[in-house]
Amino acid sequence: DTEVTQTPKHLVMGMTNKKSLKCEQHMGHRAMYWYKQKAKKPPELMFVYSYEKLSINESVPSRFSPECPNSSLLNLHLHALQPEDSALYLCASSPFPWGGGYTFGSGTRLTVV
Amino acid sequence: EDKVVQSPLSLVVHEGDTVTLNCSYEVTNFRSLLWYKQEKKAPTFLFMLTSSGIEKKSGRLSSILDKKELFSILNITATQTGDSAIYLCAVIQSINTGTASKLTFGTGTRLQVTL
Repeated sequence: DTEVTQTPKHLVMGMTNKKSLKCEQHMGHRAMYWYKQKAKKPPELMFVYSYEKLSINESVPSRFSPECPNSSLLNLHLHALQPEDSALYLCASSPFPWGGGYTFGSGTRLTVV
Repeated sequence: EDKVVQSPLSLVVHEGDTVTLNCSYEVTNFRSLLWYKQEKKAPTFLFMLTSSGIEKKSGRLSSILDKKELFSILNITATQTGDSAIYLCAVIQSINTGTASKLTFGTGTRLQVTL
């Protein structure tokens, strides 16, 4: 298995909703990442997990809450989002926390209404 | 401030042309440089470059890194309409005294190949 799987592929949520994005990999990678990509912009880093511990939070608002329950799974919990949070959310993993090739999932396209 | 800059921002070529995409970087704790192709969804991996001067090739695509001048190029020969995409350059930076890393993307080059 050489893939990073993200679910759901599309999500529409209201500003008062709570939802979660899920990311899974079975490549034995020990680092996982969340990126946010707005239209016509490059991906921007949100969070880095190394060995299931949060290593980087790029000053992301608290309405985004990451969780890494085990080495294969990464969640992003969403609560009280704003319309400007609508974007493509990409999950990635790399073999080692210090680098190696990054593999990206196909993303979740989130629309906040 | 860390910077990864790509040029040109946009390019339109005819099928069969050869194109060169540029990526320059100024970052702390550089480890490697990656090239990705992005169409509608997730970026797909093309190359990872860690050492200077060693060309990597995959079919019609090739890339090289110059760590002295802090840049990389991606060449595509005999372009096809299927090469139309955004090409992203990204730099792996070591952080937290080497126990973690992050990938910082450039602005991207939008390539359109016409018949």
